[in-house]
Amino acid sequence: DAGVIQSPRHEVTEMGQEVTLRCKPISGHNSLFWYRQTMMRGLELLIYFNNNVPIDDSGMPEDRFSAKMPNASFSTLKIQPSEPRDSAVYFCASSQFLLDRGPDTQYFGPGTRLTVL
Amino acid sequence: AQKITQTQPGMFVQEKEAVTLDCTYDTSDQSYGLFWYKQPSSGEMIFLIYQGSYDEQNATEGRYSLNFQKARKSANLVISASQLGDSAMYFCAMGFGNEKLTFGTGTRLTIIP
Repeated sequence: DAGVIQSPRHEVTEMGQEVTLRCKPISGHNSLFWYRQTMMRGLELLIYFNNNVPIDDSGMPEDRFSAKMPNASFSTLKIQPSEPRDSAVYFCASSQFLLDRGPDTQYFGPGTRLTVL
Repeated sequence: AQKITQTQPGMFVQEKEAVTLDCTYDTSDQSYGLFWYKQPSSGEMIFLIYQGSYDEQNATEGRYSLNFQKARKSANLVISASQLGDSAMYFCAMGFGNEKLTFGTGTRLTIIP
């Protein structure tokens, strides 16, 4: 089975440019998470969706960040305009949540390494 | 607030020895899950093992086992017969329902031949 797919794997851009990261969750999973990993802050959640609906976006740094999930098989994270401090690895993860079960395992994509010059 | 603590920034272990990576957590919730992930130098996050708070037996997955001590709020990962390929960062995480995972700061494990 295909795992979580992210694109691009690497992105180098200049400050001020728009950046769009893409994610395809595992088929059948109904929860999708965007995390960011930096040396200073470790792994932190940016936003997560359940059944394509944003549930918690409190981790989104500021208005420059936006995320969408137009359908169950696709999500985007957009940064506009990008800044050097946005340089990080961005992970997408998905899980299958059922009410009668405990926490579900989140499976991570390979990540997108973003460098903003 | 939920918190995960990993007190070992780095560990060096001889190949074929067993290794224990420490993880303690803090929560007032009764229902939660504890996870361990491996992050090799290539950067991907690989799920290793899961323990539910109501599970009475310690979870095991091949060479990985989770030493779950609920009263002490600890969920240590034990890797038996370590291999060179086990060298990586290891993250402990806690989750609730379908909400976010809270991660520890990680332990960098280096296996010495």
